Amino acid sequence: LAKTTQPISMDSYEGQEVNITCSHNNIATNDYITWYQQFPSQGPRFIIQGYKTKVTNEVASLFIPADRKSSTLSLPRVSLSDTAVYYCLVHRGSQGNLIFGKGTKLSVKP
Amino acid sequence: DAGVTQSPTHLIKTRGQQVTLRCSPISGHKSVSWYQQVLGQGPQFIFQYYEKEERGRGNFPDRFSARQFPNYSSELNVNALLLGDSALYLCASSLEWGALYNEQFFGPGTRLTVL
Repeated sequence: LAKTTQPISMDSYEGQEVNITCSHNNIATNDYITWYQQFPSQGPRFIIQGYKTKVTNEVASLFIPADRKSSTLSLPRVSLSDTAVYYCLVHRGSQGNLIFGKGTKLSVKP
Repeated sequence: DAGVTQSPTHLIKTRGQQVTLRCSPISGHKSVSWYQQVLGQGPQFIFQYYEKEERGRGNFPDRFSARQFPNYSSELNVNALLLGDSALYLCASSLEWGALYNEQFFGPGTRLTVL
């Protein structure tokens, strides 16, 4: 499974757009990219998932370049409640062994 | 619809004891996975079960075991507890196993403290 690298922490202010980039140089053809959000003492929550190009849902966008060696999670107009740890995962289909790294701790300030 | 539920919420045990954690998946989901999350780290995969059979196992000692019941609920057992077993134990359920992609839905976790 591809290893992922993402910043340990990021700071932002309310109303700003936040972009978190994850590198996964060894991604395989059948691998998907998924981002999870986790608040303290809660289970991770699925945010968005993609395979290539751009995916958008009601909470975020995911940009994946053609070589798929990286991906960028974009959170538009963050609020204080977006303060959380964000995990980038690369996984093959339905395998249960999702490999989480340390994630990116996003702190949103007023 | 109810999400993934786990019990108990919190648990305190002493070294050497045994513990059983329980998980009920989302209705209709047939696969359950268990993860251990130590403070400051991401979740680490322990087991996956589908249709009562083990489908995957992470790098954990034999003190850790699990099973899945006909109603798809699951139990995680940990024997001979060590201080290092103190963690948040997460259960995740997904619809199927073997399909191209199945989103995993996580429960709130059980906080285990070993003294």
